Amino acid sequence: KAGVTQTPRYLIKTRGQQVTLSCSPISGHRSVSWYQQTPGQGLQFLFEYFSETQRNKGNFPGRFSGRQFSNSRSEMNVSTLELGDSALYLCASGTVIAGGEQFFGPGTRLTVL
Amino acid sequence: AQSVSQHNHHVILSEAASLELGCNYSYGGTVNLFWYVQYPGQHLQLLLKYFSGDPLVKGIKGFEAEFIKSKFSFNLRKPSVQWSDTAEYFCAVMGFKTIFGAGTRLFVKA
Repeated sequence: KAGVTQTPRYLIKTRGQQVTLSCSPISGHRSVSWYQQTPGQGLQFLFEYFSETQRNKGNFPGRFSGRQFSNSRSEMNVSTLELGDSALYLCASGTVIAGGEQFFGPGTRLTVL
Repeated sequence: AQSVSQHNHHVILSEAASLELGCNYSYGGTVNLFWYVQYPGQHLQLLLKYFSGDPLVKGIKGFEAEFIKSKFSFNLRKPSVQWSDTAEYFCAVMGFKTIFGAGTRLFVKA
């Protein structure tokens, strides 16, 4: 089986812009979670989707949003980018919601200038 | 508040030394416990997991972890590390919310 794929792998944006990141889960996985990884904060949970519905959300501002499509692919959007949004954004997929094993993608490295 | 604490941020060991990485959590309710590893330039990948049953779980590459419920701990161990174990290790608690520890960077000297 192909693993979790994320596009693009690298992205450079400027403050105030918006960005959309994409994640394709492992075939058959219906749960997709997003994380922000930074050297200072480690992995911070953004949100989890299951069957096109957001099931859980971390403590991030409303500028961070996401969605999941009927084929389980997911996108996350960050509007009005700030310098502090520079991070590695990881997507993980799984077969069950909340608490199951997750399989991680390579991440999208976002740099905000 | 829910949290996961990894006691060591950086660990340096010589090859063949024994490893123990601490992980303590604070979380109300039933949780599943995981250790993930991130080798340089690679994805996060699962080392081992605990859902229920035998509190001593074995994972890949000779790693094991022990769940001690009374101490809210899930420490990772390996009897003899290799240079190839150089990586960052993350403890995670997954329940209704998913919480990762800050990570421990392990460097193994050849």
